[in-house]
Amino acid sequence: AQTVTQSQPEMSVQEAETVTLSCTYDTSESNYYLFWYKQPPSRQMILVIRQEAYKQQNATENRFSVNFQKAAKSFSLKISDSQLGDTAMYFCAFMKDLKTSYDKVIFGPGTSLSVIP
Amino acid sequence: AAGVIQSPRHLIKEKRETATLKCYPIPRHDTVYWYQQGPGQDPQFLISFYEKMQSDKGSIPDRFSAQQFSDYHSELNMSSLELGDSALYFCASSRAAGTGVGGYTFGSGTRLTVV
Repeated sequence: AQTVTQSQPEMSVQEAETVTLSCTYDTSESNYYLFWYKQPPSRQMILVIRQEAYKQQNATENRFSVNFQKAAKSFSLKISDSQLGDTAMYFCAFMKDLKTSYDKVIFGPGTSLSVIP
Repeated sequence: AAGVIQSPRHLIKEKRETATLKCYPIPRHDTVYWYQQGPGQDPQFLISFYEKMQSDKGSIPDRFSAQQFSDYHSELNMSSLELGDSALYFCASSRAAGTGVGGYTFGSGTRLTVV
């Protein structure tokens, strides 16, 4: 079974600063996907960034980037130039790669991020 | 672009009543997934359907049932509601062997409150 762990229940960052959210996971699969989802107070589940396990290059999306360490099973999210709109719960998530279809998403417990003006 | 539509957005039911949640996937998506997110918790997978057949099952109570219809929309039926069923219920959809994992999309959720 796969598990996802986020050791930081809450974090805060000053506006315009950089913050890193940690995530570790456990799996025996060799092919999988990793995600960071953002859930603001509206409760919408928003995909921030995704990483394919077979890719060594770390994914980036504008101010968001990841540090993917496959051997260490670590997948951290860095948010640069933090903005007030980044305040949200962030979930690290895992999905097996089933090749011809998609699987269920396994979520971590979440990190509540507050951006302070 | 069309998104995953869930209805209703909010639902209040009394204990022991029945609730039906609906999910309309993105056009051409053939797979639907249901998740339950309790207060302060991460979403937990309940059940999924591919081409109208159940494809996977998670920690879904026996009081819950679901199905996917010929137009690919799905309904989650919840009977004998308990206070602990109060949660946000997400639906997600995807297309098998589709255009990439980005095609996996969540709806806005249905907030169920059992009183």
